[in-house]
Amino acid sequence: GENVEQHPSTLSVQEGDSAVIKCTYSDSASNYFPWYKQELGKRPQLIIDIRSNVGEKKDQRIAVTLNKTAKHFSLHITETQPEDSAVYFCAASNLLGGTSYGKLTFGQGTILTVHP
Amino acid sequence: GAGVSQSPSNKVTEKGKDVELRCDPISGHTALYWYRQSLGQGLEFLIYFQGNSAPDKSGLPSDRFSAERTGGSVSTLTIQRTQQEDSAVYLCASSWGGSGANVLTFGAGSRLTVL
Repeated sequence: GENVEQHPSTLSVQEGDSAVIKCTYSDSASNYFPWYKQELGKRPQLIIDIRSNVGEKKDQRIAVTLNKTAKHFSLHITETQPEDSAVYFCAASNLLGGTSYGKLTFGQGTILTVHP
Repeated sequence: GAGVSQSPSNKVTEKGKDVELRCDPISGHTALYWYRQSLGQGLEFLIYFQGNSAPDKSGLPSDRFSAERTGGSVSTLTIQRTQQEDSAVYLCASSWGGSGANVLTFGAGSRLTVL
């Protein structure tokens, strides 16, 4: 089955700096890669996702890049703010037959701390 | 409902007892997932239901764990003969699949403590 590795496990940055979190996956059939943010004591929520037919996607201060050949994808947060402090999870899924269903395998998470 | 509901929110039990955790997904969501999150750990996949298909049980850690989904809606995760290592937050999520992306909406979780 799919295995997703995520690095680093913890990341500490100063407000205004950029943060990068990297993930690798093992199943070449995976074609959907979301990122979830979990604030302390809250449930995970989707912040951005990318399909395998796209190399990069941006949404304001966050962006995700995908390298299918190397089987890795990354989350980039620019101009970090204290409210970006949270645990970030990457995930991979094989959305079957063009549908939007499939088992989602998560990485171990990255604790991001943004210092004011 | 407006969101994914889980009950109980907290459960403290003694080692060896059985527990049942309930998940009520968003109405109309055909996919339902159970994940386990231990303290400071990631989201460990347990089981996945999709419509009327056979569930993907590949993440269940032992035969003490089972889950069912009745009528394509409510799901119950049962842990028999609980062990201390079962202590964790059990998260349920559901998805619609109609948006072109598999967006999971998570419940608040059931925190299980096995003494």
